[in-house]
Amino acid sequence: DTEVTQTPKHLVMGMTNKKSLKCEQHMGHRAMYWYKQKAKKPPELMFVYSYEKLSINESVPSRFSPECPNSSLLNLHLHALQPEDSALYLCASSLLSGGNTIYFGEGSWLTVV
Amino acid sequence: GIQVEQSPPDLILQEGANSTLRCNFSDSVNNLQWFHQNPWGQLINLFYIPSGTKQNGRLSATTVATERYSLLYISSSQTTDSGVYFCAVVDGQNFVFGPGTRLSVLP
Repeated sequence: DTEVTQTPKHLVMGMTNKKSLKCEQHMGHRAMYWYKQKAKKPPELMFVYSYEKLSINESVPSRFSPECPNSSLLNLHLHALQPEDSALYLCASSLLSGGNTIYFGEGSWLTVV
Repeated sequence: GIQVEQSPPDLILQEGANSTLRCNFSDSVNNLQWFHQNPWGQLINLFYIPSGTKQNGRLSATTVATERYSLLYISSSQTTDSGVYFCAVVDGQNFVFGPGTRLSVLP
């Protein structure tokens, strides 16, 4: 099973809302990632968790707050977003950070209105 | 950080044609992957190929690590091959993506 599951698939939120994106994998991977992808651009790294600890934060604004409750779950909490934050948010996992094959979920399409 | 380039940026093929996509990277790597992103946004793993050659059905890939490039070959293309093809290399803990090649296969 090489599956990373993301929910919700689509999310529309207002600029004052608080919402969360969720990600789950059961491959025993110890590294999990959040990437952001704008239209016609490649994915860009936001956060890396290694062994449930945040190891990379690519200067992401504090209105994005990641959380790794356990080795299988990764959340991205969203608060006071801007319309320019509208994008495809991709969760991924790999056995170890930066190593081996990385597997992506189907993504969450976020629209901020 | 490592820079990744891909060519061509766009490619239009008639169904049944063959194509070669190229990925150049600026520094030595020990992890390179090719992905296909379908119209719904999902990134599908095609190959993990830090060096050498691999084949999977109509697709094959070759990485020449010493010369810092990788090639993805698509033979007998089908309309379902349409989408964006990315190569990605590891820089520290980050998988750095190239800008992608947008492929359209016409029936």
